[in-house]
Amino acid sequence: RKEVEQDPGPFNVPEGATVAFNCTYSNSASQSFFWYRQDCRKEPKLLMSVYSSGNEDGRFTAQLNRASQYISLLIRDSKLSDSATYLCVVNSPSGTYKYIFGTGTRLKVLA
Amino acid sequence: DTEVTQTPKHLVMGMTNKKSLKCEQHMGHRAMYWYKQKAKKPPELMFVYSYEKLSINESVPSRFSPECPNSSLLNLHLHALQPEDSALYLCASSHAGRNTGELFFGEGSRLTVL
Repeated sequence: RKEVEQDPGPFNVPEGATVAFNCTYSNSASQSFFWYRQDCRKEPKLLMSVYSSGNEDGRFTAQLNRASQYISLLIRDSKLSDSATYLCVVNSPSGTYKYIFGTGTRLKVLA
Repeated sequence: DTEVTQTPKHLVMGMTNKKSLKCEQHMGHRAMYWYKQKAKKPPELMFVYSYEKLSINESVPSRFSPECPNSSLLNLHLHALQPEDSALYLCASSHAGRNTGELFFGEGSRLTVL
């Protein structure tokens, strides 16, 4: 079993749609969780850190479920510019400098 | 704009060449990373320096040689590379210690080995 698993997609959705991605992780000692966005041939950029209480930033909402060991990302009112690969990243465990990347989920928002 | 600066952005080299990739950050981070990324794959960790000392080497071939001259700089020396080493090389930094927080990435150096 991979340490961090994501559905690779692609997810093709129309503009304005709501789309959700899930990511599961295997190490229950994991402490820090992140969603990164990566555009084609560019570097990953932090989209959101994920906290136990959940967090929201505009159209984006991230949730953490420690009991089931998954994190989620919800994108509301999708824009064409949201088309990218979304990487789930887990720091496992804290202080080891090992950030485990999921394979990424490709999203394409269609006009 | 990224706060981690990598040079060069593009590099083409032959298998007998020696070249270096450079990375600089001025965020006061004491952990710096080299990742390798192939197309349609996630970044793979190569090396980590924390407090200017090599903390992690993910069994990387010796033709890749990292160096951390000071807390702001990270180099990756390349020698006798193979065509399969062609990839995007990403430098990243973070806080060091127990709570490292998020990774900050540079724009990457795209390497082609002929």
